[in-house]
Amino acid sequence: EPEVTQTPSHQVTQMGQEVILRCVPISNHLYFYWYRQILGQKVEFLVSFYNNEISEKSEIFDDQFSVERPDGSNFTLKIRSTKLEDSAMYFCASSPQGTGLYGYTFGSGTRLTVV
Amino acid sequence: GENVEQHPSTLSVQEGDSAVIKCTYSDSASNYFPWYKQELGKGPQLIIDIRSNVGEKKDQRIAVTLNKTAKHFSLHITETQPEDSAVYFCAASTGSARQLTFGSGTQLTVLP
Repeated sequence: EPEVTQTPSHQVTQMGQEVILRCVPISNHLYFYWYRQILGQKVEFLVSFYNNEISEKSEIFDDQFSVERPDGSNFTLKIRSTKLEDSAMYFCASSPQGTGLYGYTFGSGTRLTVV
Repeated sequence: GENVEQHPSTLSVQEGDSAVIKCTYSDSASNYFPWYKQELGKGPQLIIDIRSNVGEKKDQRIAVTLNKTAKHFSLHITETQPEDSAVYFCAASTGSARQLTFGSGTQLTVLP
C-alpha cells in the first residue's frame, strides 16, 4: 500500500535554529498538507499546498514557516527560527483531491524537539 | 471556523464489548467526517469516513452514524479486541476548505 514517508523521525534543534522537515507524498496525489500535534493535544492544520502554491494556511503558519516542493517528489516544511513552542509532532499528509471529500494519508510524523 | 468536540477523552472496555465515541461539530457546511486511529509513535490512519448525504456506514466491526440536524456523529466498534487499543480522532471538513478540523481524541483501552 502506498505510503507517505517523512524524515527524520526525530529532530532536536537549538532555539533560534532553522529546521527543514521532509516528506515524500504518495506519487499520484495532488494535494499536500502539514499538520502538527503538540503532545497530548489535538492535531492542528498548518497548511495545504496545491499546484506549487499554498492553498490555505492557519493562524499558526506565520512568517517563520514556509513550504516548498523543490522537485517532483519532496515536500518540505521549513521553520526559520525555531521557538520552544514549536516542539511537536509534525505530520505530512497527501490526498488525491483536496475537496475534503477524500481521506488523507498521513505519514508517521517527525518529532521536533526545540531546546 | 469549524469546532469539533469529542467525548469521552478516555474509554476502557472489556474485550468483546462495544465502544462508542461521539463528536459534535459546529459548521453546518461540513460535509465530510473521517475517523482516524493513531497508535503510539505513528501517524493517524483513516479507518472509516462518512459523507453528509449518508446517515450510516459500516465496515466489518466498525460503524459510523451521522445526524446532520443535531450536528453530531459517532464511531461504534463492536466485538472489541486488544489491538483496537489506540487513540481515535474524529474530524470534520467542508468540501472547499481542503483542511480537517480534528477532535481532541479518545484513548480507547480494550482490557483482555
